[in-house]
Amino acid sequence: DAGVIQSPRHEVTEMGQEVTLRCKPISGHNSLFWYRQTMMRGLELLIYFNNNVPIDDSGMPEDRFSAKMPNASFSTLKIQPSEPRDSAVYFCASSFLLFERAYEQYFGPGTRLTVT
Amino acid sequence: GNSVTQMEGPVTLSEEAFLTINCTYTATGYPSLFWYVQYPGEGLQLLLKATKADDKGSNKGFEATYRKETTSFHLEKGSVQVSDSAVYFCGAGGSEKLVFGKGTKLTVNP
Repeated sequence: DAGVIQSPRHEVTEMGQEVTLRCKPISGHNSLFWYRQTMMRGLELLIYFNNNVPIDDSGMPEDRFSAKMPNASFSTLKIQPSEPRDSAVYFCASSFLLFERAYEQYFGPGTRLTVT
Repeated sequence: GNSVTQMEGPVTLSEEAFLTINCTYTATGYPSLFWYVQYPGEGLQLLLKATKADDKGSNKGFEATYRKETTSFHLEKGSVQVSDSAVYFCGAGGSEKLVFGKGTKLTVNP
């Protein structure tokens, strides 16, 4: 298996621009998680999906952030408009959830976002 | 909800030294426990796990034992190598999502 795939690996954009991050989870996994990692705040869970349905988006910083999962093999995280404080590494992870019990998550390589 | 507390770093050791990184959790019920490792520029990788009390997870010379009585899952390695330099995250999962500690940065010097 190729593991969790994220694209792009690096993104540099100017403040005010729209940014879209993409994730392909491991085939057969039914849960998908978006995290953000910064030096100041560490690893933060932004949102997670189960069977393509958003379950908990309480970690999404503000309305500028949105996430979708149109099917079991693809998810996007969009920031519009982007701001310098959004600069971080964004990770996608997938897992298999059974009987409401979490199993190990498998992380992608991350997208390093720089907003100037 | 679940929470995880792990020792703050950074931790600096010499090669072949003994490593312990403490991790304690609070949870309702009996969560599964995990240790993840993050090498520079990479995502988190599962290092080891334990799913019930007294289970010992082990991988690459690292070990951790699920201690229900002390709600702990301390990571240990008898002899660290320079290649073990990374950030280590403890995680607990008893429901749909995992809760992670803040990470402990380990540097091993030759």
